[in-house]
Amino acid sequence: GQNIDQPTEMTATEGAIVQINCTYQTSGFNGLFWYQQHAGEAPTFLSYNVLDGLEEKGRFSSFLSRSKGYSYLLLKELQMKDSASYLCAVSDSNYQLIWGAGTKLIIKP
Amino acid sequence: SQTIHQWPATLVQPVGSPLSLECTVEGTSNPNLYWYRQAAGRGLQLLFYSVGIGQISSEVPQNLSASRPQDRQFILSSKKLLLSDSGFYLCAWRSGQEWETQYFGPGTRLLVL
Repeated sequence: GQNIDQPTEMTATEGAIVQINCTYQTSGFNGLFWYQQHAGEAPTFLSYNVLDGLEEKGRFSSFLSRSKGYSYLLLKELQMKDSASYLCAVSDSNYQLIWGAGTKLIIKP
Repeated sequence: SQTIHQWPATLVQPVGSPLSLECTVEGTSNPNLYWYRQAAGRGLQLLFYSVGIGQISSEVPQNLSASRPQDRQFILSSKKLLLSDSGFYLCAWRSGQEWETQYFGPGTRLLVL
């Protein structure tokens, strides 16, 4: 079967760094997406990885290891507005997205 | 630029009543369209997707149906709602290129009582 695993909830302090992990087992792989979802709102696209390595976008970076079926989202210089759920999704062999349940990130002052 | 609209934003319906949610996309042609449902505190469940007018694929058997009467219009319907249909319904679009990102509409929060 297809499976995406992420921690249910994480807590971090404002100004700190947090890493959200995602492991996957899917039928085929055509890229991995990270989305941010604030409470009561729709998900918004953060990053896309299809090759191994690190992609950096400002305070956010995303890493992929295809051989390990593993990705992480790294958030630096945390701000209160980063409190949200972070969704990991993998594009499978049919280019359909398989979604993780999301990681709720709580930022404390 | 492309925009995606969904309405209504919030809906409260009695059990057994019908449902119609609409999604429209502007600024693109022949998009792939998707309906997802998200239960409280849960991940996204793909309900239907469409690669063209009149072409609907169903991912989960249920009392919901979808239609695509026009290129940029996607409708989610039910003849009789169940309590378990409550949730956050999200429409998404993607260009025809498989590696492209899916972009979401604002969502409809449905409460069935």
